[in-house]
Formats: sequence, structure tokens, C-alpha cells
Amino acid sequence: SQQGEEDPQALSIQEGENATMNCSYKTSINNLQWYRQNSGRGLVHLILIRSNEREKHSGRLRVTLDTSKKSSSLLITASRAADTASYFCATVDGGGADGLTFGKGTHLIIQP
Amino acid sequence: DTEVTQTPKHLVMGMTNKKSLKCEQHMGHRAMYWYKQKAKKPPELMFVYSYEKLSINESVPSRFSPECPNSSLLNLHLHALQPEDSALYLCASSHQFMTSGRIEQYFGPGTRLTVT
Repeated sequence: SQQGEEDPQALSIQEGENATMNCSYKTSINNLQWYRQNSGRGLVHLILIRSNEREKHSGRLRVTLDTSKKSSSLLITASRAADTASYFCATVDGGGADGLTFGKGTHLIIQP
Repeated sequence: DTEVTQTPKHLVMGMTNKKSLKCEQHMGHRAMYWYKQKAKKPPELMFVYSYEKLSINESVPSRFSPECPNSSLLNLHLHALQPEDSALYLCASSHQFMTSGRIEQYFGPGTRLTVT
């Protein structure tokens, strides 16, 4: 079942600009993760933020989490052509080996 | 080695065929997953194996039959599939417990399945 809803569904920006994607979810969560998928290939884990964290950074990535609004945002700064991909938020609502519930995804295109 | 491998990369099968998808990881992960992804859609969870035992089956039709022969291997046996089962099938693995602090999932490149 899908939980997260990404916004926007598609985003096209110029290289060097910042890209912001938003995700909303419905149930309480343990943590929220962001993944990238290049053109129909496997997903790559980008960053994880736990339910008791509000913001996290990793290189050019910044993730925020607002559990009161059940929403998260992913900011990619100084975008590069190689950042062109689909980005999905995913939630885990329990401990242990629970599967991920993915949002619908944002397709990001970086124009050179 | 942080790689999850999947074979075959592409598979075309008829509705009466029996085939298997294979997944392998050597990261010592004890949780393994199958996801199905249709074009322009997010992945959807099918099965979860925890310590080689099936722990989650997301109401998947019986024409999909998972198997975990050991802690490194995960198979998905396919039989009597329908054209609407055509999709990208993704395998993933992760550490088992949250307390490990490493609960991100590592995905394979997927098997693109076409049912004719």
C-alpha cells in the first residue's frame, strides 16, 4: 500500500539550481528514508531521518521531517546533470524487518 | 561488498511457463525483500524474509512463490503469470534490527519481466 505522496510529481530545473521535493505520509512512522532511482534501475538509499529528528544533512542533501504535519522535504543544493532521477520517500512503521512503503515519487530533470 | 545481484536482467515468458528470479547478497543481511514496480509507479512490497523465514506476504497471488534457501539467496518462482504481471521486480536486503542503526535497504538492479 502506498503511504507517501510526493510533490511535485515532476520537476525540471537548470543545473546549479536547488531542487526541493516534498513528501507527506499518513500513519505514524519510525523513520523516513529517501531513495533515488535512475531510469528503471535499482534504488539507492540517500538519507534516513528518524521520527525524533527534525533535520539532517548529507553532502548536498538536506532532509527535514515534521511529524506533526506528517511531512518531509528533500533539498538538493547546487544540482548537477547526474542528479536527474526519480526520488522516492519511504517509510517504515515498525521495528525489525518491515518492508518500505514508498511515496509516488518525484521525477527530477536537471537541464545542463 | 555492498552489492545485491539479480538474475536475469530481462525475462520474457509465456503465460504457461515456469521461471525463477534469483537474488544474492553477501553483506550478512538477514532480511531480504521482493518488490514489484510497474512503469512510472513506486515499488510495492511483495514479500519479506527474516532469518530465512517468510515474515510478510502482502496478499500476493499464489502464482508468485518466494523461497529463501539460505541467508544469502532469495528466489521468486513464477508460474502461470498474466500479462499484467509484467513489471520490474526488485530484490533488496537489510540488517534485521533497528538497534543496528543501519536499516536502510540495499537494492539490486532488478529483473525486467515481460509476460506474453
